[in-house]
Amino acid sequence: GNSVTQMEGPVTLSEEAFLTINCTYTATGYPSLFWYVQYPGEGLQLLLKATKADDKGSNKGFEATYRKETTSFHLEKGSVQVSDSAVYFCALSVPVGNFNKFYFGSGTKLNVKP
Amino acid sequence: DGGITQSPKYLFRKEGQNVTLSCEQNLNHDAMYWYRQDPGQGLRLIYYSQIVNDFQKGDIAEGYSVSREKKESFPLTVTSAQKNPTAFYLCASRDRPYSNQPQHFGDGTRLSIL
Repeated sequence: GNSVTQMEGPVTLSEEAFLTINCTYTATGYPSLFWYVQYPGEGLQLLLKATKADDKGSNKGFEATYRKETTSFHLEKGSVQVSDSAVYFCALSVPVGNFNKFYFGSGTKLNVKP
Repeated sequence: DGGITQSPKYLFRKEGQNVTLSCEQNLNHDAMYWYRQDPGQGLRLIYYSQIVNDFQKGDIAEGYSVSREKKESFPLTVTSAQKNPTAFYLCASRDRPYSNQPQHFGDGTRLSIL
């Protein structure tokens, strides 16, 4: 089947620390992979995406590489800021029946302290 | 600016009452989706629509109904048959059902029971 597994949170870091949020997936076929970010009381915003193996998605200092051999899409940032505090969702999109369905991980909450 | 507008932001339901959540998009997207988000969980698909006048059940459709009379609108009704409706509801859209592009999300409606 299709599923996404993320590391459990919350993750608490000090400002300027290095961030890694692990994401692994199982999928039939060749999925596209995404990271979304959700701030309190808001919807999900696309952070970055990768549509094929070895693609690297990047945005706002965040990066993730589509690793087919390890079925992973880990999110990284070299130096986090307080404003990065949010919930991060890993997701995949794969054909199911007559449409491309999204599967979301359970989310990882990031707290960044000044 | 193009985007997805959900209203109201907060909604309260009395026992035995049906309530309708609004979702409007001006992105000219064909596909629209409704998700339910519960604390500590990922998003679960309620209903989706790939084209006007067509919609399909998702993973947790019981107690919900939708319509798609216009391309830009996809309202969700939470019926009295939904016994545990308290949740955060997110509407999303995508350019085409089979696209590998990301879904775009509204800012959500939080539904509570009175």
